[in-house]
Amino acid sequence: QSVLTQPPSVSAAPGQKITIPCSGSTSDIGNNYVSWYQHLPGTAPKLLIYDNDKRPSGIPDRFSGSKSGTSATLGITGLQTGDEAVYYCGTWHSSLRAEVFGGGTKLTVL
Amino acid sequence: QLQLQESGPGLVKPSETLSLTCNVSGGSISGSQYYWVWIRQTPGKGLEWIGGIYYSGNTYFNPSLKTRITMSIDTSKNQFSLRLDSVTAADTAVYYCARESWILVPPMSSYMDVWGKGATVTVSS
Repeated sequence: QSVLTQPPSVSAAPGQKITIPCSGSTSDIGNNYVSWYQHLPGTAPKLLIYDNDKRPSGIPDRFSGSKSGTSATLGITGLQTGDEAVYYCGTWHSSLRAEVFGGGTKLTVL
Repeated sequence: QLQLQESGPGLVKPSETLSLTCNVSGGSISGSQYYWVWIRQTPGKGLEWIGGIYYSGNTYFNPSLKTRITMSIDTSKNQFSLRLDSVTAADTAVYYCARESWILVPPMSSYMDVWGKGATVTVSS
């Protein structure tokens, strides 16, 4: 059971837009910044979004992040087959004093 | 370009100790603002943050694992290590080392921006 809650899967057609929600509490998302990671099978996870809505160098602007209260959202526009991966949200949990993740959302581009 | 590489045994017997080392190249492990962390992914499950160590030796551990964890850092070799005691089959996972950027003033900013490729560790007799 992950501390942060994500839907297990989402799907959409190429070129479409999707959003992946991540729900937490005042002990984590509500009072700390959120990051998002893309994980392709057999590879290392890649940082997509940090500090709620910032993109590291090299991450296309098709990827976006937002936060409101105790929830955060990852958005992906112009879906490509190469975007098929598992996406994780993460943040610091102030009470546990540990980094926590969502359970991951598998994106299928039909 | 900073690179991280995990190394260690791929097979560990139940009740024994899992030991992994992460070698850091292309940059110094002594930089401030960064913790050096271990994260694992167990089969069919998501990511689990194990813990992290600062270049000074300060550590933070996942409460669910902290009684079994030891972390160390060797700035002269630019590497850091993980020991997990009394392993069981539940500790079978891909173990990643990573650099975690931390700003400790609320709201807390923490994210892993550089990752190793991962090391598969199986716990089995």
